[in-house]
Amino acid sequence: DIQMTQSPSSLSASVGDRVTITCRASQGINNYLAWFQQKPGKAPKSLIYAASSLQSGVPSKFSGSGSGTDFTLTISSLQPEDFATYYCQQYKSYPLTFGGGTKVEIK
Amino acid sequence: EVQLVESGGGLVQPGGSLRLSCAASGFTFSDHYMDWVRQAPGKGLEWVGRTRNKANSYTTEYAASVKGRFTISRDDSKNSLYLQMNSLKTEDTAVYSCARVSRSSDLDYWGQGTLVTVSS
Repeated sequence: DIQMTQSPSSLSASVGDRVTITCRASQGINNYLAWFQQKPGKAPKSLIYAASSLQSGVPSKFSGSGSGTDFTLTISSLQPEDFATYYCQQYKSYPLTFGGGTKVEIK
Repeated sequence: EVQLVESGGGLVQPGGSLRLSCAASGFTFSDHYMDWVRQAPGKGLEWVGRTRNKANSYTTEYAASVKGRFTISRDDSKNSLYLQMNSLKTEDTAVYSCARVSRSSDLDYWGQGTLVTVSS
């Protein structure tokens, strides 16, 4: 199985900050990498697919980059509605696997 | 608007069975692969399995943790996805969500989920 390791597991940031979350795959996954946002009690929302493609309707403050084993999700200017838990997921091979999550909290 | 609505969750004893449903609307259900994903209370996301579409013979894939106990099926005439769960264990306690697989192979829409609690 491909292991997905996210860092940090949590972070505190202020409104307006630039935030970067990293995700590392235990083996190469090309660009078969997605990022999701989840708020408490809500379904995950797809933000990014194919490592850097923005889902329809997702604001451009979210961006993704990387290929192979190392990936990043960047939020350019954190807003109150962005405080949530973020997950990466590989869909290169079965079983599909998720990172452990990064909880973004208000400083 | 794409909508996925799960139902069928509840409390079940260890060793018992439960069948979850996912009602889909707002897209051509028969065209898409569909997944189940679960989330134990306070934990992260775990992929459960997938059913492909008719063009790919409705073949399925499963996580090792559920293989042989869970069965994914679909009824395209009812725009519905199912998860039959047998031999349930306490560690299967989770919110179970269905998700649509996009043409790019990522999971682009998710349902809110239904809670399954396995406890005596």
